[in-house]
Amino acid sequence: AQSVTQLGSHVSVSEGALVLLRCNYSSSVPPYLFWYVQYPNQGLQLLLKYTTGATLVKGINGFEAEFKKSETSFHLTKPSAHMSDAAEYFCAVILNTNAGKSTFGDGTTLTVKP
Amino acid sequence: GAGVSQSPSNKVTEKGKDVELRCDPISGHTALYWYRQRLGQGLEFLIYFQGNSAPDKSGLPSDRFSAERTGESVSTLTIQRTQQEDSAVYLCASSGQGYYEQYFGPGTRLTVT
Repeated sequence: AQSVTQLGSHVSVSEGALVLLRCNYSSSVPPYLFWYVQYPNQGLQLLLKYTTGATLVKGINGFEAEFKKSETSFHLTKPSAHMSDAAEYFCAVILNTNAGKSTFGDGTTLTVKP
Repeated sequence: GAGVSQSPSNKVTEKGKDVELRCDPISGHTALYWYRQRLGQGLEFLIYFQGNSAPDKSGLPSDRFSAERTGESVSTLTIQRTQQEDSAVYLCASSGQGYYEQYFGPGTRLTVT
């Protein structure tokens, strides 16, 4: 079984500040991990993913995430928030033995204050 | 190329009526997913198709919900005898074989009155 927990349903930061969105997962086998972003009134789009290899992965719009197996975490960060980063962010996990069923977290709404 | 498309974009129906939602995945994508997203909530997995394998229906909330897929192309999600709690955005996504990132359609917003 697999599960995803996103800590904090709402995160608010000032423009230019560090963005940190937390994601922890549980999985009995090595997972594939994803972050998706949903801008207001738009569909979900992939931000970044971890499958194998380098544990620090970079995505679009300056975001990155680090897979930490010991902490079962895949937190999303961005050094400097921009107003356009305001959106809802979803963490997702797929077990690599079942390249199909994915589990999404409940999402974190990011607000960026001027 | 074309992305995932869904139709209709909006559907308003009366309680008790049946509705059919359509998803056209990206051409060549073997996997197709349906999710439900209630207002202010996360994505709820409904069903997953992979190639010619039997679909994973473990997320369907009741026997009023069913889905079909023709080969590796279009899929339809049918909700019978709709209830107000079925009101949500229904999202479809597809992914290619060997790749696990999902490409999402714009969704169908279903409102049951």
